[in-house]
Amino acid sequence: AQSVTQLDSQVPVFEEAPVELRCNYSSSVSVYLFWYVQYPNQGLQLLLKYLSGSTLVKGINGFEAEFNKSQTSFHLRKPSVHISDTAEYFCAVSVDTGFQKLVFGTGTRLLVSP
Amino acid sequence: NAGVMQNPRHLVRRRGQEARLRCSPMKGHSHVYWYRQLPEEGLKFMVYLQKENIIDESGMPKERFSAEFPKEGPSILRIQQVVRGDSAAYFCASSGGESYNEQFFGPGTRLTVL
Repeated sequence: AQSVTQLDSQVPVFEEAPVELRCNYSSSVSVYLFWYVQYPNQGLQLLLKYLSGSTLVKGINGFEAEFNKSQTSFHLRKPSVHISDTAEYFCAVSVDTGFQKLVFGTGTRLLVSP
Repeated sequence: NAGVMQNPRHLVRRRGQEARLRCSPMKGHSHVYWYRQLPEEGLKFMVYLQKENIIDESGMPKERFSAEFPKEGPSILRIQQVVRGDSAAYFCASSGGESYNEQFFGPGTRLTVL
C-alpha cells in the first residue's frame, strides 16, 4: 500500500521569501506524484504532476517540484511567494498502473504574511 | 468545456435522514472517484466507478454508504441514516480521455448533519 507524509502542518512565510513544502511517500511499486492546492471552501486544483522523465517538474503559479527516488521525496518549492499563495497544499500519489485512486497527505497550510 | 460539477454545494440533514450527493464528470470522462475530507484532514478515497460499474470501493464504509454511476446521468453518492460523524466535505473527481492519469476535482459538497 502507498502512503504520503507531509510533516509540516503549517508553514508561515513572509511575502517574496522562498518556500519549500515537504512531501515523502512510500510505495513498493512505481508511482505518479501530484501536488494540489485548495483555497478556502473550494475544490482542489492541480499544481503539477510527475509521471516520468525529468525529475524537475514545473507547474502553475511559479511552483516546481523535484522527484527524488532514492529519498522517496517530492518537495514543492517556490522562489518568491505572494499573499495569494496562502492556501492548503496536498501531496498525493497514485500507482503507476493506469486508473487508480489517489492517496493524499494530510496537507500543509501555507500562510504568507506581508 | 465545463469542469466537474457537484450539487448541491451545501447540504444540511438531520440525524437519520438520507443524503444524496451528485457529480457530473467532465465531458469525455468515464471514470469517477469520490473522496471525503473531514475537518482539518486530507482527502480520503471512498470509491472509484466507471459507467455502470464499481471498480474499487475499498474506502467506503460497509454500512449506510452506496454509490452508483448509471449509463445516463450523474454519479450519486448516497448516505442513509446520516449521523453527525458523516459531516464532511465530499469531493468528486473524474478522469478519462487524453487526461487519463490526472483527476479533475469538483468544488465539493459540504454536508452538515444536525
